[in-house]
Amino acid sequence: QKEVEQNSGPLSVPEGAIASLNCTYSDRGSQSFFWYRQYSGKSPELIMSIYSNGDKEDGRFTAQLNKASQYVSLLIRDSQPSDSATYLCAVRSGGGGADGLTFGKGTHLIIQP
Amino acid sequence: DAGITQSPRHKVTETGTPVTLRCHQTENHRYMYWYRQDPGHGLRLIHYSYGVKDTDKGEVSDGYSVSRSKTEDFLLTLESATSSQTSVYFCAISERGGFTEAFFGQGTRLTVV
Repeated sequence: QKEVEQNSGPLSVPEGAIASLNCTYSDRGSQSFFWYRQYSGKSPELIMSIYSNGDKEDGRFTAQLNKASQYVSLLIRDSQPSDSATYLCAVRSGGGGADGLTFGKGTHLIIQP
Repeated sequence: DAGITQSPRHKVTETGTPVTLRCHQTENHRYMYWYRQDPGHGLRLIHYSYGVKDTDKGEVSDGYSVSRSKTEDFLLTLESATSSQTSVYFCAISERGGFTEAFFGQGTRLTVV
């Protein structure tokens, strides 16, 4: 059973601060990792993908991957009220991965103005 | 936005009736997925397709069937709807499955009364 765990929150962060979102996964063979943002009543929107150990930066977002610890994180710098949403961690296992992504239940992030 | 259209966007149906949801893509992506999203469970994979007429079961496939007769269309059928199938259904597409991102449609809110 592949599992992806996230703290459900809510995680409350002041505007302008760094928001740190964490995710652990159970399948050591996982090869691809994704962060999605989902506003209430909307569909998931891809923010970041990461495939190798280390950091990957895109604008205000940084994804961090540590396969040895089976840990993925997302940092949001200079947090804005528009960043308030649920953030979903998704993992794709090895072996081609045609069978889709396994999602965590999401972390609800609130940016306080 | 990825060219994914789900129809209908909202539907209310009675227990025991058949229901078909449609996902249409204009991206010519090989892989298509159906997920359901429920409070407390997150996104869970129902069925997926890795090509025309090539489909397989996901985590929560009981009570659902799918068909893909053309690259652009992936249909999800509830043969006899039950109240436990009240959910938000998302279609997703992926270009190369294993190591590429998945993009989501707008979702279909289905209520079974």
